[in-house]
Amino acid sequence: DAGVTQSPTHLIKTRGQQVTLRCSPISGHKSVSWYQQVLGQGPQFIFQYYEKEERGRGNFPDRFSARQFPNYSSELNVNALLLGDSALYLCASTGGRSSGNTIYFGEGSWLTVV
Amino acid sequence: GIQVEQSPPDLILQEGANSTLRCNFSDSVNNLQWFHQNPWGQLINLFYIPSGTKQNGRLSATTVATERYSLLYISSSQTTDSGVYFCAVTDSSYKLIFGSGTRLLVRP
Repeated sequence: DAGVTQSPTHLIKTRGQQVTLRCSPISGHKSVSWYQQVLGQGPQFIFQYYEKEERGRGNFPDRFSARQFPNYSSELNVNALLLGDSALYLCASTGGRSSGNTIYFGEGSWLTVV
Repeated sequence: GIQVEQSPPDLILQEGANSTLRCNFSDSVNNLQWFHQNPWGQLINLFYIPSGTKQNGRLSATTVATERYSLLYISSSQTTDSGVYFCAVTDSSYKLIFGSGTRLLVRP
């Protein structure tokens, strides 16, 4: 089975632009979460979605938004990009029958804002 | 909110040595997981261990929930063990709260 897949893997954007990151969870997983990891720090929670509903939101500005589709894939949108948004964005899925509460991460999307 | 502290922040080992990484958390948690992040950024789940002890090859982990700490043991370390080890806990809202990590370098 495929793991959590994210796209794109690397991208460079200019300040003020908008970006959309995509995530496909492991087959059978209904929950998707997004995390931001700045260099040298641990990942910080941004959003969690379960069955297409937002279950939780971290301490991030309204420029960050997300949604989950009927096939449980998800998109993270960031508007009006700032230099400080440069980070690794990680998607995680959980909730499958065999995996229980174990959380699996994708390889991430490296975003550089210049 | 819950605070997660990891120690040591950095660790350098000679190949073949053993090590213990520690994770302290400030409040009751629903679960605890250990992750290894490789140099390319991939976070690999090592253990889901809200309590008790588990072993997987050269790695083992113990969580004492009543005393709010968890330990990750690495035996006979290899250069491929290098990377950052994160402990993460889940509070009542289901979000993962990560520690700041232990950066491990295993030298040949």
